Amino acid sequence: EAGVTQSPTHLIKTRGQQATLRCSPISGHTSVYWYQQALGLGLQFLLWYDEGEERNRGNFPPRFSGRQFPNYSSELNVNALELEDSALYLCASSLGPGQEPFYEQYFGPGTRLTVT
Amino acid sequence: GDSVTQMEGPVTLSEEAFLTINCTYTATGYPSLFWYVQYPGEGLQLLLKATKADDKGSNKGFEATYRKETTSFHLEKGSVQVSDSAVYFCALSVRGSTLGRLYFGRGTQLTVWP
Repeated sequence: EAGVTQSPTHLIKTRGQQATLRCSPISGHTSVYWYQQALGLGLQFLLWYDEGEERNRGNFPPRFSGRQFPNYSSELNVNALELEDSALYLCASSLGPGQEPFYEQYFGPGTRLTVT
Repeated sequence: GDSVTQMEGPVTLSEEAFLTINCTYTATGYPSLFWYVQYPGEGLQLLLKATKADDKGSNKGFEATYRKETTSFHLEKGSVQVSDSAVYFCALSVRGSTLGRLYFGRGTQLTVWP
């Protein structure tokens, strides 16, 4: 069974530009999560989508946004890039709320975003 | 609130040494606990889990027991190998929460020398 996939692997952008990161969940999973892993800051929760709806959002500015498509894949958009947005962005998927084990999240390999 | 406190390290061991990485948690609801491992340049892999008190999760020689009385989930391995060198993250999910998210510790870098 295929795991969580993310694209691109690496992305280099200039300050002020926009970045788009993509994620495909494990087949059968309806929930998708985004986390940021910046150097020295650990893993920070960004967003949770389920059934096409944003269910929860971490403490990030509105220029971090995303969406989930009918096939449950997801996109993370970062507008007006800043140098401190440079990080590894990890996507995870799980079964939906009410399904067991909803609480088990499986991660993709990540997208390394570098802002210069 | 909900949080995880994890021994940060780094931890450096010789091959075949015993490993312990401490993890404690605070949860406002009923916790499920996880250990994830991150090898260099990769994403997180689920290593083991425990979903109720006194459960022991185990995988690849690693073990962790969910201790409700001490709110702990320490990771142990009796004999580490060079291939175990990685960053280990303790994580918490609060069942019944509408937030969906995992709460992570800061990670512990383990280096094993031959």
